[in-house]
Amino acid sequence: DAKTTQPPSMDCAEGRAANLPCNHSTISGNEYVYWYRQIHSQGPQYIIHGLKNNETNEMASLIITEDRKSSTLILPHATLRDTAVYYCIVRVGGGNAGNMLTFGGGTRLMVKP
Amino acid sequence: GAVVSQHPSWVICKSGTSVKIECRSLDFQATTMFWYRQFPKQSLMLMATSNEGSKATYEQGVEKDKFLINHASLTLSTLTVTSAHPEDSSFYICSARDNGDEQYFGPGTRLTVT
Repeated sequence: DAKTTQPPSMDCAEGRAANLPCNHSTISGNEYVYWYRQIHSQGPQYIIHGLKNNETNEMASLIITEDRKSSTLILPHATLRDTAVYYCIVRVGGGNAGNMLTFGGGTRLMVKP
Repeated sequence: GAVVSQHPSWVICKSGTSVKIECRSLDFQATTMFWYRQFPKQSLMLMATSNEGSKATYEQGVEKDKFLINHASLTLSTLTVTSAHPEDSSFYICSARDNGDEQYFGPGTRLTVT
């Protein structure tokens, strides 16, 4: 699976949008971009994933550049409960049973009042 | 939605004893489950992949005789830390893959070996 690069930490004011970048310049054509987050002392929580089109769900939006070498996770109105480590992961999709998730360092997002 | 549980949520044991951690998929069948370990302020590291009815596949550097994995049914996988030592103290997290392509994570088990 391709490697990802994320800033180690970011701050965001409560109520503002949090934009978390991720670089994945070696991504392959059949690799998806996944985002998970981990709140302290809990298991990771799935947020969103995409292949090449922008995606939106109730939690966040995912913007993938046209060349697919980078992406941005957007939390439109960050709350204190969004404070967590956010992991960007690229992996082959399509139902391959062997596809474990490889976690990098992630971005520690601190939402401040 | 898909729910994965782990039991216990935390455990303290003495050095030299064995500890069993259970991972259950509550509302779906999981042919594949994954076990991760996370040390403080570090990321999750995959330990092993288990498929129902077959032997687990361990990542490089993970001792299969120390970390025994049993995936006896489509809803249950167990990780047994044998002869635990203080350096095994960690946060152990499982995930379960459904028939699609998604993985759902358990809440984790914090193991402290004294």
